[in-house]
Amino acid sequence: DIQMTQSPSSLSASVGDRVTISCRASQDIRNSLDWYQHKPGKAPKLLLYGASRLESGVPSRFSGSGSGTDYTLTISSLQPEDFATYYCQQYYTTPRTFGQGTKVEIK
Amino acid sequence: QVQLQESGPGLVKPSETLSLTCTVSGDSISSFYWSWIRQPPGKGLEWIGYIYYTGDTNYNPSLKSRVTISVDTSKNQFSLNLSSVTAADTAVYYCAREKILYSYYYMDVWGKGTTVTVSS
Repeated sequence: DIQMTQSPSSLSASVGDRVTISCRASQDIRNSLDWYQHKPGKAPKLLLYGASRLESGVPSRFSGSGSGTDYTLTISSLQPEDFATYYCQQYYTTPRTFGQGTKVEIK
Repeated sequence: QVQLQESGPGLVKPSETLSLTCTVSGDSISSFYWSWIRQPPGKGLEWIGYIYYTGDTNYNPSLKSRVTISVDTSKNQFSLNLSSVTAADTAVYYCAREKILYSYYYMDVWGKGTTVTVSS
């Protein structure tokens, strides 16, 4: 299985801050990476697919980058509705595997 | 608008079989891949497996010996069976649609999730 490691596990930030979350794969996944936002009691929401492609309807403050084994989710200006847990997930091979999550909390 | 809704017992006894159904509305199940994912309390997301509408399946090897995912195109539903459950199978279970666009794969529609507790 491909192991996905996110960092940090949690972070505290203020509204308006730029936030960066990292995701590292245990092998080259060739941009086969999706990012999800998950709020308690809600369904996970797709933010980006193919490492950098923004899902329809997702605000442009979310962006993704990376290649090989290292990927990044950036929120350019954190909004109140962005406080949530974020997961990366690879689809290069099965089983699909998720990172352990990064919880973004209010500072 | 496509919607997914999980249903099934919220409480299952140890050693028994967990059975959940996901009902798809707003689109035909006869396309896309259809997945099950779970989240144990306090932990992250775990992919269980998926089924194509033709019946082709792919399971997480960690659960493969206990998992069966099936599809009923006449009812626009797909189902999860997980046998010989233990407390470690207690989780929120989600169903999701996995869409394929060129070489991109992504789960773009999810159900709200259903909590299953394994306890006697």
